[in-house]
Amino acid sequence: DAGVTQSPTHLIKTRGQQVTLRCSPKSGHDTVSWYQQALGQGPQFIFQYYEEEERQRGNFPDRFSGHQFPNYSSELNVNALLLGDSALYLCASSFEGVSGFGPGTRLTVL
Amino acid sequence: GEDVEQSLFLSVREGDSSVINCTYTDSSSTYLYWYKQEPGAGLQLLTYIFSNMDMKQDQRLTVLLNKKDKHLSLRIADTQTGDSAIYFCADHRNTDKLIFGTGTRLQVFP
Repeated sequence: DAGVTQSPTHLIKTRGQQVTLRCSPKSGHDTVSWYQQALGQGPQFIFQYYEEEERQRGNFPDRFSGHQFPNYSSELNVNALLLGDSALYLCASSFEGVSGFGPGTRLTVL
Repeated sequence: GEDVEQSLFLSVREGDSSVINCTYTDSSSTYLYWYKQEPGAGLQLLTYIFSNMDMKQDQRLTVLLNKKDKHLSLRIADTQTGDSAIYFCADHRNTDKLIFGTGTRLQVFP
């Protein structure tokens, strides 16, 4: 039984570009949450998807958007990239409680 | 508020016990988690405790929860060099949103 998977593992973009990150939840998990972890900081909640809708959102601008598909997998999109968007992006899936995290996607914006 | 606070750094000798502390503010927390993160890696779930428990032991790990003071601690017995990492406590709110602390860097020296 695979855990949470994310792709790609690393990504380099330039300012102003757009990026899409992908997450496949653990089997049986119906909720996907995204977190941003900047260097030297704890992960910050971006938003959460449940039943293909955004259920709650953290303090992130509208440049950050997402989607959840019928198979519960999810995408995180970031438009108009800024240098400050460089971070490790973590996806967590959950079902009625304990969350499991994927290995993350490390995004570098130059 | 949503604050979860941790001390930034802890240094211990190999074989000693380590105690990492965390305080949180939200009395509606349902679970409290401890995650471990090694350099360049994702988050590894170490253990968690339900908010209606006072203590949980799992091999070398002991979690203590003081709900009155909103204080959580993680004790690692017989600390090894492989335990060197950053440890995050996380407060689980309703709907599976996690609020993370800033992380405590544990350094184990021989």
